[in-house]
Amino acid sequence: QKEVEQNSGPLSVPEGAIASLNCTYSDRGSQSFFWYRQYSGKSPELIMFIYSNGDKEDGRFTAQLNKASQYVSLLIRDSQPSDSATYLCAVNDSSASKIIFGSGTRLSIRP
Amino acid sequence: GAVVSQHPSWVICKSGTSVKIECRSLDFQATTMFWYRQFPKQSLMLMATSNEGSKATYEQGVEKDKFLINHASLTLSTLTVTSAHPEDSSFYICSAPRQEEVLGEQFFGPGTRLTVL
Repeated sequence: QKEVEQNSGPLSVPEGAIASLNCTYSDRGSQSFFWYRQYSGKSPELIMFIYSNGDKEDGRFTAQLNKASQYVSLLIRDSQPSDSATYLCAVNDSSASKIIFGSGTRLSIRP
Repeated sequence: GAVVSQHPSWVICKSGTSVKIECRSLDFQATTMFWYRQFPKQSLMLMATSNEGSKATYEQGVEKDKFLINHASLTLSTLTVTSAHPEDSSFYICSAPRQEEVLGEQFFGPGTRLTVL
């Protein structure tokens, strides 16, 4: 059973600080990695994707990938209350045409 | 970004009735669409992969005779919950990748909240 593991949280971070979200995955063949944000009662939206080892920055968001350690992370700089949501890590299933979602980390930014 | 719509956004029905949910890609064509279910405070659960012009692929444990999927065109997939029961009450969400080569870059519909009385 291929798995994507995330700490469920809640992760509480003060406004303006850096929020760090982590994810590990079991499928060594996975090549594509994604972060989705889901507000309560809404559907997920894609915020970042990363395919190569290292860092990828997009505005206040940085995705980090280490395939050797099977580890993906998302950093959110200058956290805002509007960043409070559940963040879902997802990776492609190397043997099937689908992606596998983690259970999500609930992030709370306190003013 | 790409737009995916769902209809209805919410539905309440009596136990034993069937409910159809539509998922449309509005500004791109989608050979593949995915159907998920999410119970309160739980993670997304992939139910099935909908393939235009062919049978859907169901995940283990999902009853294909209960959750009928039809991908009639490159912009429309439907999920019919047959003989719905209260335990089927959930948030049903569809998604589609804009590019078939990058399945993970999925655009989600707004979801349909189903309540079965």
